[in-house]
Amino acid sequence: DTEVTQTPKHLVMGMTNKKSLKCEQHMGHRAMYWYKQKAKKPPELMFVYSYEKLSINESVPSRFSPECPNSSLLNLHLHALQPEDSALYLCASSQDTGLAGTQYFGPGTRLLVL
Amino acid sequence: GQQVMQIPQYQHVQEGEDFTTYCNSSTTLSNIQWYKQRPGGHPVFLIQLVKSGEVKKQKRLTFQFGEAKKNSSLHITATQTTDVGTYFCAPATDSWGKLQFGAGTQVVVTP
Repeated sequence: DTEVTQTPKHLVMGMTNKKSLKCEQHMGHRAMYWYKQKAKKPPELMFVYSYEKLSINESVPSRFSPECPNSSLLNLHLHALQPEDSALYLCASSQDTGLAGTQYFGPGTRLLVL
Repeated sequence: GQQVMQIPQYQHVQEGEDFTTYCNSSTTLSNIQWYKQRPGGHPVFLIQLVKSGEVKKQKRLTFQFGEAKKNSSLHITATQTTDVGTYFCAPATDSWGKLQFGAGTQVVVTP
């Protein structure tokens, strides 16, 4: 199984809502990532988890809160988002962090903030 | 910090033609990965290059890593409509393997 799954596929939320994005992988990978991708732009790294611990936070606003409940799951909690946060949110995993880390991406969640 | 420039940003190709996309860095790279993202899809890993001067082939795709490890290229021969998408180069920027995606080359193929 080389699949990373993400739910929901689409999400519309108001600026006062709280929602969560979920990501799951069963490849035994120990590194998991959140990326944000705006239309016609490359993915931008938000967070890296390594062995269930937050390793990298790319100065992401606190309205985005990641969580790694176990080695297979990664969540992104959303609160008080802005319309400019509308984007495709991609989860990825790799066997480990480090230079040889091929990343497997999930299909993404398309988020629209109204 | 490390800057990665990918050119061209847009490539319109006639089916059957060849084309090349380039990725250039201002600093020496440890390795570089290439990803393809179909319209409406997600990035899919294509290849990783590690060694100076390395050349790898996948059917009609040829990937090359420069001798100085500051540039890389992807050459596609006999383009097909299935090659439509955006191709990203992504060098690893540090020992964590953090990827710095290039701007991407969006490829459109006309029959």
